[in-house]
Amino acid sequence: QQQVKQSPQSLIVQKGGISIINCAYENTAFDYFPWYQQFPGKGPALLIAIRPDVSEKKEGRFTISFNKSAKQFSLHIMDSQPGDSATYFCAGVGAGNTPLVFGKGTRLSVIA
Amino acid sequence: NAGVTQTPKFQVLKTGQSMTLQCAQDMNHEYMSWYRQDPGMGLRLIHYSVGAGITDQGEVPNGYNVSRSTTEDFPLRLLSAAPSQTSVYFCASSYQREGQETQYFGPGTRLLVL
Repeated sequence: QQQVKQSPQSLIVQKGGISIINCAYENTAFDYFPWYQQFPGKGPALLIAIRPDVSEKKEGRFTISFNKSAKQFSLHIMDSQPGDSATYFCAGVGAGNTPLVFGKGTRLSVIA
Repeated sequence: NAGVTQTPKFQVLKTGQSMTLQCAQDMNHEYMSWYRQDPGMGLRLIHYSVGAGITDQGEVPNGYNVSRSTTEDFPLRLLSAAPSQTSVYFCASSYQREGQETQYFGPGTRLLVL
């Protein structure tokens, strides 16, 4: 199983601060890197995703930065809000019908 | 669309009992998968299917069986439940379009094996 390593395992951020979650992957065949957000008691839901032909993708307060040469990507949450408190999973997937490979998740708590 | 539905929401089993976790999707997705989620372990793939009649093993397949007789349904069978199978189980379905994939997850089944 090709791994996706995610850090930190947990993160506490003050309201209004920047939350940063990092991921590193091994499989150079991965060509799609999604982030999923999971609230307690719910299933994960797609938050934002990036392909390796771009170095950054921004959607509202959420930004993915991608470094292909280092095989690393990160999620930045600007102006973090208590409503962003959730578990975040990064993932990688290759072309065809290969399954997603998930990181182990980061539990984010945004405190007022 | 109802999306991905899972039943039951919660189940308690005794060691050695068998049961089937149901999963259905109404989005005509070819790809379906089962994950288990345990604290600190993330989402681990149990089995997946790329279409009706085709299944394959994921990272943690032991103790589980699947079948895919229709595009809509992908049940997960626990043959002889063990306490190590206490977990939250998520079913997901997805399409692949232009090289991208979005997985849609169900609400989960919480399983307790005593």
